[in-house]
Amino acid sequence: DADVTQTPRNRITKTGKRIMLECSQTKGHDRMYWYRQDPGLGLQLIYYSFDVKDINKGEISDGYSVSRQAQAKFSLSLESAIPNQTALYFCATSSGNPGQPQHFGDGTRLSIL
Amino acid sequence: GESVGLHLPTLSVQEGDNSIINCAYSNSASDYFIWYKQESGKGPQFIIDIRSNMDKRQGQRVTVLLNKTVKHLSLQIAATQPGDSAVYFCAEPLNQAGTALIFGKGTTLSVSS
Repeated sequence: DADVTQTPRNRITKTGKRIMLECSQTKGHDRMYWYRQDPGLGLQLIYYSFDVKDINKGEISDGYSVSRQAQAKFSLSLESAIPNQTALYFCATSSGNPGQPQHFGDGTRLSIL
Repeated sequence: GESVGLHLPTLSVQEGDNSIINCAYSNSASDYFIWYKQESGKGPQFIIDIRSNMDKRQGQRVTVLLNKTVKHLSLQIAATQPGDSAVYFCAEPLNQAGTALIFGKGTTLSVSS
């Protein structure tokens, strides 16, 4: 979905480095999400935010932090990257109505050596 | 904890056949369910959803069935086409607050001509 843009699309880095993945959206949605996808597994929710002042932990938040800088921007940080954080990361947005679908970016492929 | 799972990790069909992808869920309190399609190199895309007060919902070439008695839902694709080849995920709400989702592990659908 071109309305949800993730940068970078690919990143290779070393263990111990601080990494930031960025997400911006033009859909005007209040709600934003970060997911992680490992091969053969579904998406696991890391963090989510219902507005600029709201941050919530998801299923697997340990080792990650987020910042909601503005309605349109939601960044994910790995403070000290480790190899088992190698994965595909997706950002998504939705409106505030339960049942409304989430709109996903095309993902960031992160490799930690 | 609560989880959403799929019966089969892979499904292979011939072009023109009907496909049925299954999903078992465990949270009987979920009030809606969503199916997503993920093509290679892309983020998941919304296909269809169903609320818990329904047992069937139809879209274009797709039908979702919900059986709350056995906590099972299925996605039926009519006249499957090569462009339907993708990974299909079912998802349900993380909690009663609404829009954050838990995803199943996915079924890879392969359509041969």
